[in-house]
Amino acid sequence: QSVLTQPPSVSAAPGQKVTISCSGSSSNIGNNYVSWYQQLPGTAPKLLIYDNNKRPSGIPDRFSGSKSGTSATLGITGLQTGDEADYYCGTWDSSLSAGGGVFGTGTKVTVL
Amino acid sequence: EVQLVESGGGLVKPGGSLRLSCAASGFTFSSYNMNWVRQAPGKGLEWVSSISSSSSYIYYADSVKGRFTISRDNAKNSLYLQMNSLRAEDTAVYYCAREIQDFWSGVPSYFDYWGQGTLVTVSS
Repeated sequence: QSVLTQPPSVSAAPGQKVTISCSGSSSNIGNNYVSWYQQLPGTAPKLLIYDNNKRPSGIPDRFSGSKSGTSATLGITGLQTGDEADYYCGTWDSSLSAGGGVFGTGTKVTVL
Repeated sequence: EVQLVESGGGLVKPGGSLRLSCAASGFTFSSYNMNWVRQAPGKGLEWVSSISSSSSYIYYADSVKGRFTISRDNAKNSLYLQMNSLRAEDTAVYYCAREIQDFWSGVPSYFDYWGQGTLVTVSS
């Protein structure tokens, strides 16, 4: 039921960079802020990026977010083994049939 | 320290009911909108429902509309989800999450704190 599309997986070697895309529409990403969540295995999601590109206190600047039109991107630089997790984008959808929160399909990050 | 602790999950037969609770602490509960988000085993996140700080505004995902009821008791710093007519596809870990709104527009913006989740299994 996810209305936001993400790649199923991305991978890179330690120290490298990965980017994760999140594609939506004008009723969600196009007109609302995007947030990103990190879910380590067996744990609850954790806020990583909010309001498209802001980092909560304690989140390293290796994590960055951007938004353009109906798409958003999460970037992770200096990849570490501790970054292996599932990552989800999120926003709100103002269409009549799906008013409420929406999440991306999720992307598994693997550190090679 | 903000804490959200869910409880009430368990095994229930199809067609049965269950009531989830989320105990909040470390912040002024009555000032925040709250949400339920679920995650089926091995699947992604799915937004379920939201309730405004004073319970004036309530929204549901189409998948649970008419079967689930969200509520809150600000005096008890607690959020609830009454789940009726449960189906196998409702099997999931249910998280409560605090919602942050955009300061200027009041539009929902993101979830800054999440509970650890409670597992609901619907099976005969």
